[in-house]
Amino acid sequence: DAGITQSPRYKITETGRQVTLMCHQTWSHSYMFWYRQDLGHGLRLIYYSAAADITDKGEVPDGYVVSRSKTENFPLTLESATRSQTSVYFCAIQEGRASTDTQYFGPGTRLTVL
Amino acid sequence: AQKVTQAQTEISVVEKEDVTLDCVYETRDTTYYLFWYKQPPSGELVFLIRRNSFDEQNEISGRYSWNFQKSTSSFNFTITASQVVDSAVYFCALSDNYGQNFVFGPGTRLSVLP
Repeated sequence: DAGITQSPRYKITETGRQVTLMCHQTWSHSYMFWYRQDLGHGLRLIYYSAAADITDKGEVPDGYVVSRSKTENFPLTLESATRSQTSVYFCAIQEGRASTDTQYFGPGTRLTVL
Repeated sequence: AQKVTQAQTEISVVEKEDVTLDCVYETRDTTYYLFWYKQPPSGELVFLIRRNSFDEQNEISGRYSWNFQKSTSSFNFTITASQVVDSAVYFCALSDNYGQNFVFGPGTRLSVLP
């Protein structure tokens, strides 16, 4: 068990509010990822991090901010939530580069923006 | 740009039938990785397989098998003697050599009927 948790599991917020989704791992995997899953789009990468204090944009980063001050935490912040950000958000971890490593996913956070 | 296509949106089979899920990918990279994930109705994402671009050997794991063909840019997934528990959405994904830029296909929803 890779020991990856996400909180909260469910969140309802209003347009314009700031929301932070947390991802926490009990291992010390280097790589952490944030995806959003929308019907018809599969999963889309928002941001990823190769190590503490190293982050980079994925396919759909606009409207999101990430930080990684500690290896085990990778929070995702919606600075001013919009209805289009209603989605299921998955965090994933990976020990190292892809050559032999598996990507493990958290249980997801279902976010609704009213 | 990388792209993954899963042309089959939904498939229904009767238990014990064999079923093949198609995955076609596009990339300009010479080194890349291909993945299959399962998402059962409970919502979690389960890693099934990773294959790198230099390994074209087919793989079999129990009732699951994968056929990787670089000539047609395909990485198809076959379930033999399907079971009701195989009902899920299956995602094919592609990453670059560094395992950071993941691109997922839209998924194929498989329903196995008793």
